[in-house]
Amino acid sequence: EPEVTQTPSHQVTQMGQEVILRCVPISNHLYFYWYRQILGQKVEFLVSFYNNEISEKSEIFDDQFSVERPDGSNFTLKIRSTKLEDSAMYFCASSTGAGNSPLHFGNGTRLTVT
Amino acid sequence: GENVEQHPSTLSVQEGDSAVIKCTYSDSASNYFPWYKQELGKGPQLIIDIRSNVGEKKDQRIAVTLNKTAKHFSLHITETQPEDSAVYFCAASINQAGTALIFGKGTTLSVSS
Repeated sequence: EPEVTQTPSHQVTQMGQEVILRCVPISNHLYFYWYRQILGQKVEFLVSFYNNEISEKSEIFDDQFSVERPDGSNFTLKIRSTKLEDSAMYFCASSTGAGNSPLHFGNGTRLTVT
Repeated sequence: GENVEQHPSTLSVQEGDSAVIKCTYSDSASNYFPWYKQELGKGPQLIIDIRSNVGEKKDQRIAVTLNKTAKHFSLHITETQPEDSAVYFCAASINQAGTALIFGKGTTLSVSS
């Protein structure tokens, strides 16, 4: 079964540094998402992306965050200047968009900001 | 905006027993309610979903019920097995691609044999 893949599985960075989290969505999917989960807490929506544009974003997704589909297969989340509170598990998800097709999540990237 | 409350936060059952997890939502415009299972070190995996034109849906040992008037929905797992042990999340959204799924805080289910 096709799956969403995320790299790296764990990223450690220093406060103030830029990080890029990478995702390869399922190949025939058109909608892409980033969610985050702070340890022990609920999964929170960050942003959705369709046709090379942001469809919807949450309050969390401020100017420090950006998303990009640099080529036909990758979908990236960039955090410009990381803060301690950015430490979390970041999940990429994708869906076909047909009807209300379900979201398929990757296994996440654990970001640790020191 | 939408707010989803989920109870209980932890649930321990004996193998073979039933488990019930309940969620409430606040936005009457929400009409899509999926349930996700998250195992350690993995992303959430969809196990069942229900739309607002349906009151109940079953898939083998799993069932979900929806009460739109009361704005609550529940997950029922029958004949639980140790491999059902995981964190379960309910979620709600408007039935439209690209819109945010709003998750509950999760229920840690432990099934002991």
